[in-house]
Amino acid sequence: EIVLTQSPATLSLSPGERATLSCRASQSLGSYLAWYQQKPGQAPRLLIYDASSRATGIPARFSGSGSGTDFTLTISSLEPEDFAIYYCQQRSPLFTFGPGTKVDIK
Amino acid sequence: EVHLVQSGAEVKKPGATVKISCKVSGYTFINYYMNWVRQAPGKGLEWMGRIDPENGETQYSEKFQARVTITADTSKDTAYLEVSSLRSEDTAVHYCTTDYGSGSYYVYWGQGTLVTVSS
Repeated sequence: EIVLTQSPATLSLSPGERATLSCRASQSLGSYLAWYQQKPGQAPRLLIYDASSRATGIPARFSGSGSGTDFTLTISSLEPEDFAIYYCQQRSPLFTFGPGTKVDIK
Repeated sequence: EVHLVQSGAEVKKPGATVKISCKVSGYTFINYYMNWVRQAPGKGLEWMGRIDPENGETQYSEKFQARVTITADTSKDTAYLEVSSLRSEDTAVHYCTTDYGSGSYYVYWGQGTLVTVSS
């Protein structure tokens, strides 16, 4: 089973700042990685798929990059609604999620 | 519009079995995998398994292989998750989610079903 590791566990930032979240895989994923955002009491929301493609309706401040084993989610300028937990997910051959990065308000 | 509507919260005793449903509308049920993901209180997301409703073929995470059964009733556009031999650590919100609309990723999710295991 492919294991995903996310860092940092918590990221404390202020609105307007840039957030950089990392996801590392135990084996190469090619570009088959997604990022989700989850807020308390809500189901996750797909942000990025195939490492760098934004899902429908996702603001341009969210971007994804990387391939192989190292991936990054960048939020260029944090909005108040972006403070949440972010999970990466891989799909090969079966699905696993990373442990999550919490982005909270500094 | 796509909807995944799950059955209501359940309270079960240790050792019992729970069965949760997920009824879909707004897309062709048999054409897309249905997945189940769970989240224990304050914890992360765990992929449990999935079913191809067209042929009933299932795949499970190793962690859940022995105690989880996923089924689908194509006449009702409904998928089911059954978890047996429940223990307190199984207390979690369970989500159904389809890969309709995004290749193999999850745009559409059910609202979640809380299963509480307590004596």
